[in-house]
Amino acid sequence: DAGVIQSPRHEVTEMGQEVTLRCKPISGHDYLFWYRQTMMRGLELLIYFNNNVPIDDSGMPEDRFSAKMPNASFSTLKIQPSEPRDSAVYFCASSPIRGEGYTFGSGTRLTVV
Amino acid sequence: SQQGEEDPQALSIQEGENATMNCSYKTSINNLQWYRQNSGRGLVHLILIRSNEREKHSGRLRVTLDTSKKSSSLLITASRAADTASYFCATARDDKIIFGKGTRLHILP
Repeated sequence: DAGVIQSPRHEVTEMGQEVTLRCKPISGHDYLFWYRQTMMRGLELLIYFNNNVPIDDSGMPEDRFSAKMPNASFSTLKIQPSEPRDSAVYFCASSPIRGEGYTFGSGTRLTVV
Repeated sequence: SQQGEEDPQALSIQEGENATMNCSYKTSINNLQWYRQNSGRGLVHLILIRSNEREKHSGRLRVTLDTSKKSSSLLITASRAADTASYFCATARDDKIIFGKGTRLHILP
């Protein structure tokens, strides 16, 4: 298995633009998580899905953030409009078992200028 | 909060020495996990210890868990240059895993 695949690896965008981050989880993993990592706040859980259904989005910072999982093999995290404070590394992770070892993607480094 | 806190925030040791990192948390948990993150990469799962376990080994890694003190430690024996990374403890409760801010470990040649 190729692991969790995220795209793009790097994204530089101007303030106000829409940004879409993509994730392909490991086949057979029923749980998918989106995290954001910054130096100041560490790793923050934004939202997670179980069997494609959003379970907890309490970590999504604002209405500008939205996430979808239309099928078991694909998820997106969208920021519209983007702001400089959204600059961070965004990670997707998947897991086959509730609350146990996650497999992380390589992350998307987002810079909003 | 459920979030674990690692101690120390940064640690530098000579190659070959043992490295010990600690984690404290505040709420009851199902399990505690340790992850490693190399610079510019995603996190890699190292080891999981369940709430009813006290100690676990995996290769050069030894993890302990004291649920009465709500603390865990990660010991890396005979450190190598390749162990240079950030190490995170993660506490699991129900579906979610919450990560601490990590310990930056630097192995000196």
